[in-house]
Amino acid sequence: DVVMTQSPLSLPVTLGQPASISCRSSQSLVYSDGNTYLNWFQQRPGQSPRRLIYKVSNRDSGVPDRFSGSGSGTDFTLKISRVEAEDVGVYYCMQGTHLFTFGPGTKVDIK
Amino acid sequence: EVQLVESGGGLVQPGRSLRLSCTASGFTFGDYAMSWVRQAPGKGLEWVGFIRSKAYGGTTEYAASVKGRFTISRDDSKSIAYLQMNSLKTEDTAVYYCTVEFDYWGQGTLVTVSS
Repeated sequence: DVVMTQSPLSLPVTLGQPASISCRSSQSLVYSDGNTYLNWFQQRPGQSPRRLIYKVSNRDSGVPDRFSGSGSGTDFTLKISRVEAEDVGVYYCMQGTHLFTFGPGTKVDIK
Repeated sequence: EVQLVESGGGLVQPGRSLRLSCTASGFTFGDYAMSWVRQAPGKGLEWVGFIRSKAYGGTTEYAASVKGRFTISRDDSKSIAYLQMNSLKTEDTAVYYCTVEFDYWGQGTLVTVSS
């Protein structure tokens, strides 16, 4: 089974400053079709999850361009260029190459 | 507008069964795989399982934690996905979400397994 890890698990950030979350998988996430099925989700307090990024770096519709995803193979990163108050919540990476596995989540809050 | 509405949650005793429903609208339900994801109180997200569309055989896959106890099915004529949960354990207590392509999510339904 694929194990997903994230760091840090808690990320206090200053408004307007950048933030970065790392996600690592125990196996390569490159699928036989050449795609890498690594997604990022945001879950605000009391809300359902919302997908931000799919296939490593593709932003979903309506997602602000301050969110970006990068990486390859087993190492991936979600970056927020300038954190806003509405970005508070928990962020999860999820692999969809070997069935599906979520990372443990990174809690982002404001310093 | 895509909508997913889960129902059927509630309080159930350990060892008993419960069936959740996910009623979909706003898209051609039969064309898409449907997944279930759960979240225990104060914990992270856990993928439970999914059912492929009929075009891909309508087959199912499950997480190891629920395999053999949970069954996902679908009724494309009613645009409903089901999660049949048998032999429930206290550790199955969670909010259960249905999602299509992990792009659209329902609001979740709470299942509490307790005596």
